[in-house]
Amino acid sequence: GAGVSQSPSNKVTEKGKDVELRCDPISGHTALYWYRQSLGQGLEFLIYFQGNSAPDKSGLPSDRFSAERTGGSVSTLTIQRTQQEDSAVYLCASSFLPGEQGYTFGSGTRLTVV
Amino acid sequence: GDSVTQMEGPVTLSEEAFLTINCTYTATGYPSLFWYVQYPGEGLQLLLKATKADDKGSNKGFEATYRKETTSFHLEKGSVQVSDSAVYFCALGLTGANSKLTFGKGITLSVRP
Repeated sequence: GAGVSQSPSNKVTEKGKDVELRCDPISGHTALYWYRQSLGQGLEFLIYFQGNSAPDKSGLPSDRFSAERTGGSVSTLTIQRTQQEDSAVYLCASSFLPGEQGYTFGSGTRLTVV
Repeated sequence: GDSVTQMEGPVTLSEEAFLTINCTYTATGYPSLFWYVQYPGEGLQLLLKATKADDKGSNKGFEATYRKETTSFHLEKGSVQVSDSAVYFCALGLTGANSKLTFGKGITLSVRP
């Protein structure tokens, strides 16, 4: 597509429920990244995909968080047994080449755990 | 590890004022440096970048020079407009197959008419 598309744009969930967040990167972009943006905390790296593999998942905060990417395209970030501290904006970005050229970001999914 | 430090905010300026937003970095290699901007209700957009020492990135009247000797990439604009009100993020990225961007905490700029 023309840009990075994320869905849903907003998600309110009850504590303890599982959620899935979707990212559809720009066509042809092999690198895909997930970040989390919490109020006053800047952007926190979660995981990086090159193709379908994840060479860097060092930012996933706990084993409740997982992500996958299929067909070198769409990625899903899953949060199991959500907690209130998971409330944040989850941002996806993609790039043709990793690192030096910068990313194109999606508009994010605002997750609120109540 | 790699890190980016931005000056504390928020910053409030009057229209046509001069803007400087400080950014310094720590990196093990030779990073590329970026400024991203997030306008209210929108996603992050790449504002400008510099890939090696002494390069100057520029866009929309904003400029930043990659200073290796001071490990800095300060953002400047000679005359800000109300439409520049946004959150600004400094970031660094290292080349290589396993690279990612490391962001500063961001700073909110508000420009008064």
